[in-house]
Amino acid sequence: EAGVVQSPRYKIIEKKQPVAFWCNPISGHNTLYWYLQNLGQGPELLIRYENEEAVDDSQLPKDRFSAERLKGVDSTLKIQPAELGDSAVYLCASSDGTSFSDTQYFGPGTRLTVL
Amino acid sequence: AQTVTQSQPEMSVQEAETVTLSCTYDTSESDYYLFWYKQPPSRQMILVIRQEAYKQQNATENRFSVNFQKAAKSFSLKISDSQLGDAAMYFCAYRRGAQKLVFGQGTRLTINP
Repeated sequence: EAGVVQSPRYKIIEKKQPVAFWCNPISGHNTLYWYLQNLGQGPELLIRYENEEAVDDSQLPKDRFSAERLKGVDSTLKIQPAELGDSAVYLCASSDGTSFSDTQYFGPGTRLTVL
Repeated sequence: AQTVTQSQPEMSVQEAETVTLSCTYDTSESDYYLFWYKQPPSRQMILVIRQEAYKQQNATENRFSVNFQKAAKSFSLKISDSQLGDAAMYFCAYRRGAQKLVFGQGTRLTINP
């Protein structure tokens, strides 16, 4: 079974430029998460989707970040415009969401460097 | 709000020896899940072991086991017969239901040959 797929693996951009990250969850997983991981720290949730609905986006900086999950499968996270402080690893995870105990599986992440 | 604390930024162990990583957490809930994830340099978060709070028996997965002390809100990970491939960042995490994982700051584990 294929795992969570993310692209690109690495992205280097100039500040004020836009950037987008793509995530394809494990087949059949209804719940999708985007996490932000700063260097030397644990990941923190940005947004959680149940199918197409964003059910927890309280930590998403909505002035510059946006996300979508069309058709309840793939998801895209966008930053516009990027700032120096956005340099980090962006992790996507998915779970089947069918039980209280479902496990989150992570993708390899996208490392963003803003110059 | 729930918090997870890992007080050991770095740990090292000789190959084939046993090492224990510490984790404490704070919650007012009685039903939740605890996890240990491993993150090698490739950045892929890999689930090592999980524990359901309602279970008194400590979880075990091959060389990995936990010491879950619910009253003390402590959740340590023991790695037996350490191998070079165990070298990674280890994150302790808490989750209630289908909500977000709350991670600790991580412990970098080095295996000395």
